[in-house]
Amino acid sequence: DSGVTQTPKHLITATGQRVTLRCSPRSGDLSVYWYQQSLDQGLQFLIQYYNGEERAKGNILERFSAQQFPDLHSELNLSSLELGDSALYFCASSVDGVSGNTIYFGEGSWLTVV
Amino acid sequence: GENVEQHPSTLSVQEGDSAVIKCTYSDSASNYFPWYKQELGKRPQLIIDIRSNVGEKKDQRIAVTLNKTAKHFSLHITETQPEDSAVYFCAATPRGAGTALIFGKGTTLSVSS
Repeated sequence: DSGVTQTPKHLITATGQRVTLRCSPRSGDLSVYWYQQSLDQGLQFLIQYYNGEERAKGNILERFSAQQFPDLHSELNLSSLELGDSALYFCASSVDGVSGNTIYFGEGSWLTVV
Repeated sequence: GENVEQHPSTLSVQEGDSAVIKCTYSDSASNYFPWYKQELGKRPQLIIDIRSNVGEKKDQRIAVTLNKTAKHFSLHITETQPEDSAVYFCAATPRGAGTALIFGKGTTLSVSS
């Protein structure tokens, strides 16, 4: 157990809908990262938050947004869902915003868009 | 942005053989290079990492080497066992991505007994 908690574990929804994925980082970790893993794209970095502020953006679509709350949990919002958004979404956390600190992954949220 | 290339995409070895996975990166400012192992349906887990001021690091049957001049790093697994079968990802931490990891596309390692 990495200490990173993600909910829901599985989610099935229809095209055009909106979903919210939730992440609680490890106790004491200030940085949260979101990754998307699909079969042919490996682990794609979406976005990083550090202590409530956006720190870096990766390949995140405009239909997707995220935030980190004062209690440090984070949410990833996916809207106008398309079939191609079906993937495993990982949240990860690290203790601070310094490069080289271990990044721990949660178990992921499986999203299926039908 | 950073581009991390990983080869091979699949690797099959016999139990007891060695396995080598290679990665190259493009951003010379990258200074941290971890390797993650992901079993089917599970989360990626860190198995070893190396920082830019070190050329090699070992942990039992696993070793990583880094050549900063050539911008490549490799994972070496000796005396492979069936439980080593998994997908292995290399990663780097480039400028412009905060402290996020940018991953290679992964190598599926199969160890047959």
